[in-house]
Parts: sequence; C-alpha cells; structure tokens
Amino acid sequence: RKEVEQDPGPFNVPEGATVAFNCTYSNSASQSFFWYRQDCRKEPKLLMSVYSSGNEDGRFTAQLNRASQYISLLIRDSKLSDSATYLCVVAWFGNEKLTFGTGARLTIIP
Amino acid sequence: DVKVTQSSRYLVKRTGEKVFLECVQDMDHENMFWYRQDPGLGLRLIYFSYDVKMKEKGDIPEGYSVSREKKERFSLILESASTNQTSMYLCASSSSDRGTYEQYFGPGTRLTVT
Repeated sequence: RKEVEQDPGPFNVPEGATVAFNCTYSNSASQSFFWYRQDCRKEPKLLMSVYSSGNEDGRFTAQLNRASQYISLLIRDSKLSDSATYLCVVAWFGNEKLTFGTGARLTIIP
Repeated sequence: DVKVTQSSRYLVKRTGEKVFLECVQDMDHENMFWYRQDPGLGLRLIYFSYDVKMKEKGDIPEGYSVSREKKERFSLILESASTNQTSMYLCASSSSDRGTYEQYFGPGTRLTVT
C-alpha cells in the first residue's frame, strides 16, 4: 500500500465551481501535512500547510482528519488560473523527508 | 527569495554514459534532496542529504549516487545511464531551523537516455 494515496483525476471543472481533493495516508505517526501546487512544466511550490484545526487562505480551505487519516483541499469559486496539479504531502515529526502523493490534475473550463 | 538552480533544463545522453546533474541553492539550507518525477508515479525520492558529506538513501536509490562536498551544492550521478532512467529530475532544499519542512524546488532537468 502506498504511504500517500491520491486520486489523480483528471478533474475538469467549470469556472466558478467548487472542487475538492482528498488524500489518505497510511502512517498514523504522520505529523505534518501540506498541499503543493505544480503548474505545467514547472516545479512544485508550497500552496499551504494543513493544521489540525483546519485552515483557510482566501478561496482555499485545507482540512485534516487524523482519525480517518486523510487530508483535503477545497477550492471555492474556481478561476482559470487554478488549473494545475495539486499534490498532497506528508511528513513525520523530526524527519525532514516528505512523501508526496501522485498529484491530482485540475483543469478549469471557461 | 530562495533560489534553487539546476545545471541543465534538458539533457540527452546515451545508454552507458556517466551523467552528472548539479543542483545549487543560495539560502544556506542544511537539507537537500533529489527526486525523479514520472507520470502516474509522482515524485519519488532518490537520495537526500542533511549536511555536507552526509547522504541517505531515499526510496529508489538503485543506479544513482550523490555527492555533497559543499553546503550549497548537491550532485546526482548516474554511473551508467539506462533508458529506464529517462525522467524529470527535481532537486529541492529545505531548512531545519524552523521545522516547517517546506521544500524549495529547482526548475528540473528533463533527462532522456537513448
């Protein structure tokens, strides 16, 4: 079983719609969680960290469910510029090594 | 702004050649990483380094070696390139100071082995 599992999509969503990505992780000792964004032919960049209480940054909301071992990312009022691949990422406390999901490709349709 | 640079954006090598991929970061980061990224498989860690002259195997180290002689530079070496090493190679760095784990990536090197 993969350490981090993510539905790769593709996700084709009309502009203005809401889209959600989910990701499950297998190691219950996981401590830190992130969402990275990767534009086509570019490097991944940190989008946001995921905190236990959930956190919001504008149209983006990240949530963590430790009991079920999954993290989610919600994008509201999607824009054309949101088209990218979204990668969920997990780290273990004291371990700088990150484990990446395979990524979910999002295309916003005008 | 953190900057991670990689020596080449595109590289074409022949089977059996020795290949060097160079990565340099300018933020005095302790940690450096080499990944390869393939469709459907995502980012997979090849090797990483916590400090100068220190290295640790990642998930897929076979066929690769690394060198870190200076803090800012981390090299990935393919001793004898094979066609199954055709891939996008991404270097990253991070700081241990704040424990935030954020990694900063270079632009990637697309390697083709023929």
